[in-house]
Amino acid sequence: QSVLTQPPSVSAAPGQKVTISCSGSSSNIGNNYVSWYQQLPGTAPKLLIYENNKRPSGIPDRFSGSKSGTSATLGITGLQTGDEADYYCGTWDSSLSGGVFGGGTKLTVL
Amino acid sequence: EVQLVESGGGLVQPGRSLRLSCTASGFTFGDYAMSWVRQAPGKGLEWVGFIRSKAYGGTTEYAASVKGRFTISRDDSKSIAYLQMNSLKTEDTAVYYCTRDSPGYYGSGSYPYWGQGTLVTVSS
Repeated sequence: QSVLTQPPSVSAAPGQKVTISCSGSSSNIGNNYVSWYQQLPGTAPKLLIYENNKRPSGIPDRFSGSKSGTSATLGITGLQTGDEADYYCGTWDSSLSGGVFGGGTKLTVL
Repeated sequence: EVQLVESGGGLVQPGRSLRLSCTASGFTFGDYAMSWVRQAPGKGLEWVGFIRSKAYGGTTEYAASVKGRFTISRDDSKSIAYLQMNSLKTEDTAVYYCTRDSPGYYGSGSYPYWGQGTLVTVSS
């Protein structure tokens, strides 16, 4: 059981927009920055979003992040088949004194 | 260019020990905390633990699932972080990744750099 809650799967058609939610508590999302990761099959996770809504160099602006209270959202616009992957949210948990991740969301581009 | 290379994985029997290494390059290793994250086959990411920089005492934090069995250490002179795993269980089977964490006291939960991972299989 993950500390952060994500939907197991989402799907949308190419060119459309999708959002992935991540729900936590005051000890993690509520008081710490949220990051988002993309993991393609057989590869290491890749940082997409950090500090709630910032994109590392090289990440297209089709990817966006937001946070409100104890929840965060990843948005992906202009979906491409290459976006099919597992997506994870992560943050620090001040009560656990440790990192925490969501269970992951599998994105299918129909 | 930041690079992290894990090594030391393999097949080990339940109850035995294994030590993983993470060799870093491309940044001032001693300035950063380092974290270990694992992923069991077909499962999600699980934070394992981290070690602060020497500026913060090189102290460690661990996930409850590994506390008391796993120990993280670092050798800043060699830019290597270690994960010593004792009393291994079948549920420790996973790909283990090392990541660069924050330069501060608290972990960031934000990992821009990952190694390729090393597979640990615990089985009799």
